[in-house]
Amino acid sequence: DIQMTQSPSSLSASVGDRVTITCRASQGITNYLVWFQQKPGKAPKSLIYVASNLQSGVPSRFSGSGSGTNFTLTISTLQPEDFATYYCLQYNSYPRTFGQGTKVEI
Amino acid sequence: EVQLVESGGGVVQPGGSLRLSCAASGFTFSDHYMDWVRQAPGKGLEWVGRIRKRGNRYTTEYGASVKGRFTISRDDSKNSLYLQMNSLRTEDTAVYYCARAGYGDGDYWGQGTLVTVSS
Repeated sequence: DIQMTQSPSSLSASVGDRVTITCRASQGITNYLVWFQQKPGKAPKSLIYVASNLQSGVPSRFSGSGSGTNFTLTISTLQPEDFATYYCLQYNSYPRTFGQGTKVEI
Repeated sequence: EVQLVESGGGVVQPGGSLRLSCAASGFTFSDHYMDWVRQAPGKGLEWVGRIRKRGNRYTTEYGASVKGRFTISRDDSKNSLYLQMNSLRTEDTAVYYCARAGYGDGDYWGQGTLVTVSS
């Protein structure tokens, strides 16, 4: 199975900050990576697919990059509604595997 | 508008069975692979499994922790996805989500249904 390692596991930030979350795959996954945002008590929401494509309706302050084994989610200017937990998911092979999550706190 | 609505969750004893359903609307259900994902209380996301579409013979994939105990099926005539869970364990306690594979895996999710395995 492919292991997905996210870092950091949590971070503290302020409104207006630039935030970067990384996800590392234990083996190459080309660019088959999704980033999700999850708020407490809610279902995850897809933000980015194939590593860098923004889902429809997702603000442009979110961006993704990377390929192979190293990936990054960047929030350019953190907004109050962005405080949440973020997960990566590899969909290159089965079983699908998620990162452990990164909690973005105030 | 794409909608996925899970149902069927509840409390079940260890060793018991439960069947979850996911009703889909707002898109052509038969054109999409569908997944189940779960989240134990206070924990991260765990992929449970997938069912492909008719053109791929409705074949399935499962995570190691549920393989042999859980079965995913679908009824395209009813726009519905199912998860049959047998031999349930306390560690299966989680919110179970159905999710569509479209623009990447998990482009749309249901609201989830809670399964509690407890004596």
